This record gives sequence, structure tokens and C-alpha cells, in this order.
Amino acid sequence: EAQLVESGGGLVQPGGSLRLSCAASGFSFSDNSINWVRQAPGKGLEWLSLINSDSSRIYYEDSVRGRFTVSRDNAKNSVSLQMNNLRVEDTAVYYCTTGSFVSWGQGTLVTVS
Amino acid sequence: EIVLTQSPATLSLSPGEKATLSCRASQNVCIDLAWFQQKPGQPPRLLIYATYNRATGIPARFIGSGSGTDFTLTINSLQPEDYAVYYCQQRCDWPRTFGQGTKVEIK
Repeated sequence: EAQLVESGGGLVQPGGSLRLSCAASGFSFSDNSINWVRQAPGKGLEWLSLINSDSSRIYYEDSVRGRFTVSRDNAKNSVSLQMNNLRVEDTAVYYCTTGSFVSWGQGTLVTVS
Repeated sequence: EIVLTQSPATLSLSPGEKATLSCRASQNVCIDLAWFQQKPGQPPRLLIYATYNRATGIPARFIGSGSGTDFTLTINSLQPEDYAVYYCQQRCDWPRTFGQGTKVEIK
């Protein structure tokens, strides 16, 4: 069974940086794209980024392009989301999910305040 | 970007009733329209992909349909575990976008 576990969330001041990680297991990680999706408190879902299996294609949502950078290490079965110049409106639970959106982690909370 | 508008925002129904959730796209989308269910404190769960295909383990009472700009999720005979928020999502264009959600609550 596929498992995804996010980590790295916490409290950061506006303008600060944070690096989230997503550890994967139970499936062929190196063959799968990974998405990042976030959800602000009490709000809906917002897709942020996708990185394909070999990192040759990366896509971002407009509001995070240039501030967020996604990368992956297939040898370690992990994906990272580097978040710079954080804003109050980036406060949310951040999820990683497989390319097909079938498997999701439990999320990690980022609070910018 | 493709904007998805879901209606109604809230649906109040009794167990056993049928729920009809709408998702309208700002432009024609391909067949790759998905539906998710989310309960409080949990990540979303994929219900339907490619407009009408049920994900693994999803009961047959969940039915997806539609084309072009108008898509529907029908839940036949609501069960207690079906009360949740439902989101549609398009995977036809970048950025991937979600609708704002429809909450199905107990009447």
C-alpha cells in the first residue's frame, strides 16, 4: 500500500523560508509523478506543483512560481518543496500526493505569522 | 486557467436520498475530470477519475457523468459515511484546478 508522509511544517515569519519533505513507500516511487496540494484553514484545495518521475518536467501554480521549488531524490524516495519569501496567505496544510491523486499524505501545517 | 464552479455550496439531505452535485468549467475540458471526498481532519480521497471511472474501492452509488463544461457527481441513496465535502478537479490543463467544494450535510 502506498504511503506518503509529509514533514517540515511549522511556524515561520513572513518573508521566511521553510522546506517540506514527502517520504514515500509502498509503491514504485521512481516511476511516479508527485503533486503538492495545499488547503488553507477552512478553505478548499489548491494544487501547487507537479514533478514528474525523472524531474524533467515541473509545473507550478502561478501564485507560488518563483518562490517555491520542488525537487526529488529517487534514491531516497523523497520529494522536497522549498518555500521562500513566505506570505501570510501561504498558511495552510500542505499535502503531497501521487501523480494520479490516488494516494495522499496526512499533510503538514505551515503557519506564516 | 480553467475555473471550476461547484453548486450548490451546501446540500442538505436525509440518509437514503439522492445527491446531485454540479461542477461547471469556464471552458470546455477534456474527459479528465475527477471528484474527491474530504472529511474533517482527513486528506481528500479520490472517488471518480476521467469523468465517470470509480477509483478502487469506491461504492457503485457514486456515479460521475458529464462532458464539455458541465459535470455531475451523483450519490445514490446517501449513507451516513457520505456526509462530507466534495471537490471536482480538472487535469486537462495547467495549472490543475479544483472547484471550491460542495458540502453535503445531514438534513
